[in-house]
Amino acid sequence: EVQLVESGGGLVQPGGSLRLSCAASGFTFSSYSMNWVRQAPGRGLEWVSYITSSSSTIYYADSVKGRFTISRDNAKNSLYLQMNSLRVEDTAVYYCARLTNWGQGTLVTVSS
Amino acid sequence: DIVMTQTPLSLSVTPGQPASISCKSSQSLLHSDGRTYLYWYLQKPGQSPQLLIYEVSNRFSGVPDRFSGSGSGTDFTLRISRVEAEDVGVYSCMQTIQLPFTFGQGTRLEI
Repeated sequence: EVQLVESGGGLVQPGGSLRLSCAASGFTFSSYSMNWVRQAPGRGLEWVSYITSSSSTIYYADSVKGRFTISRDNAKNSLYLQMNSLRVEDTAVYYCARLTNWGQGTLVTVSS
Repeated sequence: DIVMTQTPLSLSVTPGQPASISCKSSQSLLHSDGRTYLYWYLQKPGQSPQLLIYEVSNRFSGVPDRFSGSGSGTDFTLRISRVEAEDVGVYSCMQTIQLPFTFGQGTRLEI
């Protein structure tokens, strides 16, 4: 069974940093591209970042470019999202997603 | 960026009745490889999104056959042949032909 389990969310002040992690199991993680997708409270889904299986290609939404960094460790079956210079508008549930499967999400709250 | 436009944004359906949701993209989602990169997701209350349909019309594993997808190019439709109480939630279309991947606004289905 495919499982994606996010962690690392929490409350942070504007300008602060957080690192999200996603532990993958039940499939050959190293063979798949992965994504981070977020959902602000009461809002729709917003794609955030994409990384290919070998990390050779990485893309970001304009809203996070220059502030967020996606990475992965195929030996550890893990996906990461380093979030710096956080803004109030980054408040959302962040999902790790393989497009066919999504994690349960981790809540990031940016507030003073 | 490709803009995805869903209609309606909300839908109230009697159990046993059909339902239909439209999704239109600002550019064709037909790739040169012959595949059309349009996905449908359902987010049930309090849950993460779950894949219903991939590449326009292919039901994902475990998805009931009352769900079907159709369309081509820029116009797509998700149909539920007979709505059940467990189908409540927000339905979203998504394109993956071009980065940034983009979602429709979501359609809330109520019983």
